[in-house]
Amino acid sequence: GAVVSQHPSRVICKSGTSVKIECRSLDFQATTMFWYRQFPKKSLMLMATSNEGSKATYEQGVEKDKFLINHASLTLSTLTVTSAHPEDSSFYICSATAGGGYSNQPQHFGDGTRLSIL
Amino acid sequence: LAKTTQPISMDSYEGQEVNITCSHNNIATNDYITWYQQFPSQGPRFIIQGYKTKVTNEVASLFIPADRKSSTLSLPRVSLSDTAVYYCLVGGYTGGFKTIFGAGTRLFVKA
Repeated sequence: GAVVSQHPSRVICKSGTSVKIECRSLDFQATTMFWYRQFPKKSLMLMATSNEGSKATYEQGVEKDKFLINHASLTLSTLTVTSAHPEDSSFYICSATAGGGYSNQPQHFGDGTRLSIL
Repeated sequence: LAKTTQPISMDSYEGQEVNITCSHNNIATNDYITWYQQFPSQGPRFIIQGYKTKVTNEVASLFIPADRKSSTLSLPRVSLSDTAVYYCLVGGYTGGFKTIFGAGTRLFVKA
């Protein structure tokens, strides 16, 4: 149980392109989803937290107009990297929890999306 | 938010028990402690979660002392496939829900 599917697993595109990444909870309802970014050999860096039906909360330093997050249903959240540039190249990972505001529900992670901007 | 501190790396041999300790001195009353395993180019995978004392599942044990300012993940009889990065997370309700990943512990299991 508690499977999170992230798609696509890898994207290579030209500079200036917008890229959408999907995160789906397959067997549970995700009241809260998270988006992380990870650089090589570094830890995960939280970008934003989204609750179904409301606007995402972005971490300090993360541009909300660059990284658009939509959490339209209890099983789907999307991250759109708008007008991507080479510095946006990274490994993006989503997670989902059924826990809402309570920490006894662990996060379940997708397998990440490797984004390469040429 | 509770900050966590773990050893940056550990080495072990196949068949040995490995204990990874995480310090979280400012853990809040509502916080649970969760451990994740991450392989290269994959998302983290849930290992175990606890609040106090000892929790055991089919892959690991988690020991939490009474003051809850630290926790120890115990992996019995590790194999080469346990080579990965292990993260300790302390998450709590802070008017929202957020957890911050620390640097993690890179475990290398040798034959």
